[in-house]
Amino acid sequence: EADIYQTPRYLVIGTGKKITLECSQTMGHDKMYWYQQDPGMELHLIHYSYGVNSTEKGDLSSESTVSRIRTEHFPLTLESARPSHTSQYLCASSEYGDNSPLHFGNGTRLTVT
Amino acid sequence: GQNIDQPTEMTATEGAIVQINCTYQTSGFNGLFWYQQHAGEAPTFLSYNVLDGLEEKGRFSSFLSRSKGYSYLLLKELQMKDSASYLCAVLDSNYQLIWGAGTKLIIKP
Repeated sequence: EADIYQTPRYLVIGTGKKITLECSQTMGHDKMYWYQQDPGMELHLIHYSYGVNSTEKGDLSSESTVSRIRTEHFPLTLESARPSHTSQYLCASSEYGDNSPLHFGNGTRLTVT
Repeated sequence: GQNIDQPTEMTATEGAIVQINCTYQTSGFNGLFWYQQHAGEAPTFLSYNVLDGLEEKGRFSSFLSRSKGYSYLLLKELQMKDSASYLCAVLDSNYQLIWGAGTKLIIKP
């Protein structure tokens, strides 16, 4: 039973479109994260949040934005999708402690044509 | 720069034991995680080590040597369902997670 939900699971869109990937968690976790994962490659941090109204940029943040208006919701927006954005996007959450493990959603597989 | 090294792929036989190694060079160290990720699914947490030594959790154990920048995940009594990728990740001095590319483990009958 998933406690962190991502929608859509799969998305195919054209270049230049604006898209929002949704992520919600029901665990009351303060910390939330967005990662990008390509096959056989390490996870890259896009954005993270330590709580409501807190957002920080990761390594790959320059082409996307996030918001954290509610504890449970952390959407990721690509203003203008490009083929280079084709990837798997994973949302995660954790309790506040620095060594708390991440709980991941099942991901959104995005293809930009 | 910061780096995590893991073998890309390993093959083992059902019922056997396999050791997946992870070496790291990071700016500081605040702990090491292992995650399991089945194809097309989310990574799930397996273990966390911050002190040297072996942590055992059922069929899975994780070892850490901070002086050597080295960890391994030991899987015993392998089952077909253990076929997955195993991700090593280190918390650096800024408490940011540095991820390895993962080791794909293939279990053969």
